[in-house]
Amino acid sequence: AQSVSQHNHHVILSEAASLELGCNYSYGGTVNLFWYVQYPGQHLQLLLKYFSGDPLVKGIKGFEAEFIKSKFSFNLRKPSVQWSDTAEYFCAVEAGGFKTIFGAGTRLFVKA
Amino acid sequence: EADIYQTPRYLVIGTGKKITLECSQTMGHDKMYWYQQDPGMELHLIHYSYGVNSTEKGDLSSESTVSRIRTEHFPLTLESARPSHTSQYLCASSRRGDYNEQFFGPGTRLTVL
Repeated sequence: AQSVSQHNHHVILSEAASLELGCNYSYGGTVNLFWYVQYPGQHLQLLLKYFSGDPLVKGIKGFEAEFIKSKFSFNLRKPSVQWSDTAEYFCAVEAGGFKTIFGAGTRLFVKA
Repeated sequence: EADIYQTPRYLVIGTGKKITLECSQTMGHDKMYWYQQDPGMELHLIHYSYGVNSTEKGDLSSESTVSRIRTEHFPLTLESARPSHTSQYLCASSRRGDYNEQFFGPGTRLTVL
């Protein structure tokens, strides 16, 4: 069965620290990859997506993610986090069909 | 901000009651979804729809039912609520052929006593 694994459930960083959130999936075929973010009190919303082409994709608010096919990974990065990045981040994979599989989420808390 | 709405936002009811969670979108999206989300857990797909008069069950077994009589409306109904139904329910929609990027509503937090 397809699955998505996010390595960290909780991450605490100070402002200006670098961020990397891990995401691995299990599926051998073509995938579409997403990172969604949920800020406190707001809807879940798309942060960035990968369908094809350059494996390094850039999203909103300075976030980027790299698709490494050989590692089945799609890690999210940001060079310098801000207090406003405090949120829950979900990795998601759409693999060869209608349904999207979500990871369990990573709660990021950025200390001011 | 996505134009997808859910009502009510919060609901506390007693066991055995029938409830309907409403979801509407004004974007003309063909595809709609219902997810169940518990704290620290994955979003679990419980129902989805390709379009009007099309509904399918998702991966997570659910005692709820859905209908899709109009493109913009995708209500979820529990005939007899139980404490095990306590959860957050998220509605989402996406365009046909848009690589399945989904737009989410604010969610309904349901508590069954």
